[in-house]
Amino acid sequence: DTGVSQDPRHKITKRGQNVTFRCDPISEHNRLYWYRQTLGQGPEFLTYFQNEAQLEKSRLLSDRFSAERPKGSFSTLEIQRTEQGDSAMYLCASSFPGGYGYTFGSGTRLTVV
Amino acid sequence: AQTVTQSQPEMSVQEAETVTLSCTYDTSENNYYLFWYKQPPSRQMILVIRQEAYKQQNATENRFSVNFQKAAKSFSLKISDSQLGDTAMYFCAFIRETGANNLFFGTGTRLTVIP
Repeated sequence: DTGVSQDPRHKITKRGQNVTFRCDPISEHNRLYWYRQTLGQGPEFLTYFQNEAQLEKSRLLSDRFSAERPKGSFSTLEIQRTEQGDSAMYLCASSFPGGYGYTFGSGTRLTVV
Repeated sequence: AQTVTQSQPEMSVQEAETVTLSCTYDTSENNYYLFWYKQPPSRQMILVIRQEAYKQQNATENRFSVNFQKAAKSFSLKISDSQLGDTAMYFCAFIRETGANNLFFGTGTRLTVIP
């Protein structure tokens, strides 16, 4: 297992388009998290899954955002009708339950033009 | 609600010297964990060190050690013998022991190691 993988690394899209990002977690981890990081800030929690169940969503996750984790394996994060304010780094992480900390992926940098 | 505060946006240190990064947090929880993460320019977040709140002994990992003051809600990171590869953003983070285990991050400290 080579860690948490995210695809694509970079995405440039026009305002109003839909985008989808993929995250492949460490296979033994049953928890998967999505975070958003804007320039000069720390990552902010968006949502998390335990296995295939999405158990919590942040208020940051507007109705234009949707995340899935079918079969408790990889996860996708879709943003519909992108806006310039969506430009950010989207980080995925996975973990065991408890206070072990996360393993992060390299992130997907989204630029909305 | 949990908050994490890093009051030093930027710091620099000479190679081989020691530097301390500050972090304070606020929580009503009694059981939690604290972390320092490093984010180099290549951007992948890497776990540096972890501290359990119920342990009085400060965590150490090679050149990295923490000063955990639970009553003061303070959690500083000391980097000894600084190396050029330590240049990165450093984030302090908090997690509850139970529940969603969401990591709450500070705003980060940009550390530059000067040759």
